[in-house]
Amino acid sequence: NAGVTQTPKFQVLKTGQSMTLQCAQDMNHEYMSWYRQDPGMGLRLIHYSVGAGITDQGEVPNGYNVSRSTTEDFPLRLLSAAPSQTSVYFCASSYSTPGGAMNTEAFFGQGTRLTVV
Amino acid sequence: GQQVMQIPQYQHVQEGEDFTTYCNSSTTLSNIQWYKQRPGGHPVFLIQLVKSGEVKKQKRLTFQFGEAKKNSSLHITATQTTDVGTYFCAGLNNQAGTALIFGKGTTLSVSS
Repeated sequence: NAGVTQTPKFQVLKTGQSMTLQCAQDMNHEYMSWYRQDPGMGLRLIHYSVGAGITDQGEVPNGYNVSRSTTEDFPLRLLSAAPSQTSVYFCASSYSTPGGAMNTEAFFGQGTRLTVV
Repeated sequence: GQQVMQIPQYQHVQEGEDFTTYCNSSTTLSNIQWYKQRPGGHPVFLIQLVKSGEVKKQKRLTFQFGEAKKNSSLHITATQTTDVGTYFCAGLNNQAGTALIFGKGTTLSVSS
């Protein structure tokens, strides 16, 4: 098992460009989420999904879109990149309870380091 | 919304000294998880606490969950240089939602 795979590992964007950060997991986890990590700010939740076809907003969703067409994939789209979106992005997955709540350990990808100039 | 506060933000110790980080939630939690992130790495799960007053040990690490399920602590006995990294607590309130909310983390440095 590869676990949680994120691509790319590094990316530089110009202000206004759009891009998609990819996340795939091979553990058949229902629950997937995206976090951004900035110095001194910890991990802040952007969007999450409790299963295919279901997504919800986290703490800092503005400027980001997500979709969940399959159990395995949970891409994060930056619509029009801004310097404030310079950050390290982590995707995570976990099993969930029948009600959709994450209930066990989260497995994280290696992260994508994004710089917007 | 739910908030998880963690202190201290930074801690430097001499090798062999003990270390403790504290986590407090503004709401009652269904469970609390602890993660460790090495410099340049990704968060890695350490443990999950579910029961009120629960105490779990992993070698030199001791984890506690408060009686009211609103606070938690991680204590490391006799730190080693391999303990360097950032320790995060993460709270889950299943009744309020399904998202795992992280504290800002405590960064531990250890000098030999």
